[in-house]
Amino acid sequence: DAKTTQPNSMESNEEEPVHLPCNHSTISGTDYIHWYRQLPSQGPEYVIHGLTSNVNNRMASLAIAEDRKSSTLILHRATLRDAAVYYCILRDDIIQGAQKLVFGQGTRLTINP
Amino acid sequence: DTAVSQTPKYLVTQMGNDKSIKCEQNLGHDTMYWYKQDSKKFLKIMFSYNNKELIINETVPNRFSPKSPDKAHLNLHINSLELGDSAVYFCASSNRQVRNTEAFFGQGTRLTVV
Repeated sequence: DAKTTQPNSMESNEEEPVHLPCNHSTISGTDYIHWYRQLPSQGPEYVIHGLTSNVNNRMASLAIAEDRKSSTLILHRATLRDAAVYYCILRDDIIQGAQKLVFGQGTRLTINP
Repeated sequence: DTAVSQTPKYLVTQMGNDKSIKCEQNLGHDTMYWYKQDSKKFLKIMFSYNNKELIINETVPNRFSPKSPDKAHLNLHINSLELGDSAVYFCASSNRQVRNTEAFFGQGTRLTVV
């Protein structure tokens, strides 16, 4: 399974931008980078994904390094509701079309009021 | 409407019992999954079904048996429950036809074996 490395925890203040880093030095050329988050007592929730180019959606932005060995999830203006565990996942083994998501430890993001 | 729904949300049972967790998705997806999140919060895939066919079967004890009556449902039956089975079980679904689409997860079923 392709591996990712994330800081165990990060802290930020409400209404400030948050940059969540992820290292994936063993990424292969066809691996997509997916981000999910898990709010307290809830199931994981998709945030964003990308391959090579930076990506934006209504929730966040994803900045991917040119060599693809690292990426950064950017929350432009954090709210208290963004407090969650954020998982950076390399899309692993599309087995007959199924997505086998391999979750690491993730980064626990705390947002201070 | 909830996209992926699981029942029950909480399940407390004694060792040795047999229990089932039900999952239904109304997204029209053709692939469903079961994940387990243990006490250390690690999420691991257990099974995946595509159109009622088992396509991912991780190293899971035989006591765990998924059943998919149709592509909108994937139930998890657990025989002879053990203390170590206590965890939160998440059902998920995705669309196999769309490459790299996201997976949608249910709210989880917290199983406690006493």
